[in-house]
Amino acid sequence: GQQVMQIPQYQHVQEGEDFTTYCNSSTTLSNIQWYKQRPGGHPVFLIQLVKSGEVKKQKRLTFQFGEAKKNSSLHITATQTTDVGTYFCAGPSNTGKLIFGQGTTLQVKP
Amino acid sequence: KAGVTQTPRYLIKTRGQQVTLSCSPISGHRSVSWYQQTPGQGLQFLFEYFSETQRNKGNFPGRFSGRQFSNSRSEMNVSTLELGDSALYLCASSWRQGNNEQFFGPGTRLTVL
Repeated sequence: GQQVMQIPQYQHVQEGEDFTTYCNSSTTLSNIQWYKQRPGGHPVFLIQLVKSGEVKKQKRLTFQFGEAKKNSSLHITATQTTDVGTYFCAGPSNTGKLIFGQGTTLQVKP
Repeated sequence: KAGVTQTPRYLIKTRGQQVTLSCSPISGHRSVSWYQQTPGQGLQFLFEYFSETQRNKGNFPGRFSGRQFSNSRSEMNVSTLELGDSALYLCASSWRQGNNEQFFGPGTRLTVL
């Protein structure tokens, strides 16, 4: 079946370092969404990318959608302790349901 | 605007019992989706309801069911609970059907003993 994979599963960084998580789909996606879940919290929508090669920025966060619309990345510049959490990508299946990646858990050491 | 609410927040049940979880979407949102979150399997889609009709279903056994009311509130039911059903059950609402931006509730933490 259709799969959405994320790497790495875990990432520990020193505060101030950059961080990147990668998302790969087994099929072409009509869009890709990114969510953040803080420890003990629930997923919160960050952004949706729709166009091939699209790049969007939110302050220190940069999101990219691959040219083939099968992969995406989230890059955080100069991480802060407030960036701690699990970042999920999600893409629609051919039946319309949203398939989430396993997530990348980010730990930031102050 | 009030967010998505879920009740109860925590629940402890024993094997064989059944459970009903409730979700109230954001006002004006007509789509409600349910997800199961476990450390091993991540976020798994259960089903989506829109205008009181199930529009999409994940790969879960028939013990998992749901419904949506005319006011868009939704319930999900799990019968004959198994230990493996212990999880965080998340409800998410959206203003339209399909794979749009999901607004998640705080979840119901279900523990099956």
